Amino acid sequence: QKEVEQNSGPLSVPEGAIASLNCTYSDRGSQSFFWYRQYSGKSPELIMSIYSNGDKEDGRFTAQLNKASQYVSLLIRDSQPSDSATYLCAANSGNTPLVFGKGTRLSVIA
Amino acid sequence: DAGVIQSPRHEVTEMGQEVTLRCKPISGHNSLFWYRQTMMRGLELLIYFNNNVPIDDSGMPEDRFSAKMPNASFSTLKIQPSEPRDSAVYFCASSRSTSGRRNEQFFGPGTRLTVL
Repeated sequence: QKEVEQNSGPLSVPEGAIASLNCTYSDRGSQSFFWYRQYSGKSPELIMSIYSNGDKEDGRFTAQLNKASQYVSLLIRDSQPSDSATYLCAANSGNTPLVFGKGTRLSVIA
Repeated sequence: DAGVIQSPRHEVTEMGQEVTLRCKPISGHNSLFWYRQTMMRGLELLIYFNNNVPIDDSGMPEDRFSAKMPNASFSTLKIQPSEPRDSAVYFCASSRSTSGRRNEQFFGPGTRLTVL
């Protein structure tokens, strides 16, 4: 059974701090990894994708991948109250469907 | 470009009634996914299509659920008869499936279904 595990949270951080969201996956064959942001009552929105070991930066977001440890993380720098949402981690291999974690709820306190 | 379009956005129905949810994927995408999301179970994949062909429907909970994709720009998810435990948000997503790695999936706004 392919699984993606996330801490459900809530993770609370003060405004301006770095939020660190973590995810582990069970399928060593996974090749593609994604972070989605989901506001309450809205649909998941793709914010980052990463395919190779190391870091990938996009604005205030940095995704980190460590395939040896089967670990993916998302860092949000200078966290804003508007970043408060549930963050879903997902993984897949080749053309298989994404396997989603249950999400981590982030709360940024002003 | 228009994203994934779903209708209706909200549906309230009574137990035993037939419910049909509709989805139009992003133009040029050849994979389509139906998900159900609840607080208890999170996001669950129900069924997905590649080039209009159902590939895996193992997530469909019961025979009461069926899905079709008659062409590349339209899919339906039908529940007949509906039950209160089917109440959830149903999402459709699409991607451009390639032999490579980049199968980024994009979600529609969802249909919030309430079965009384």
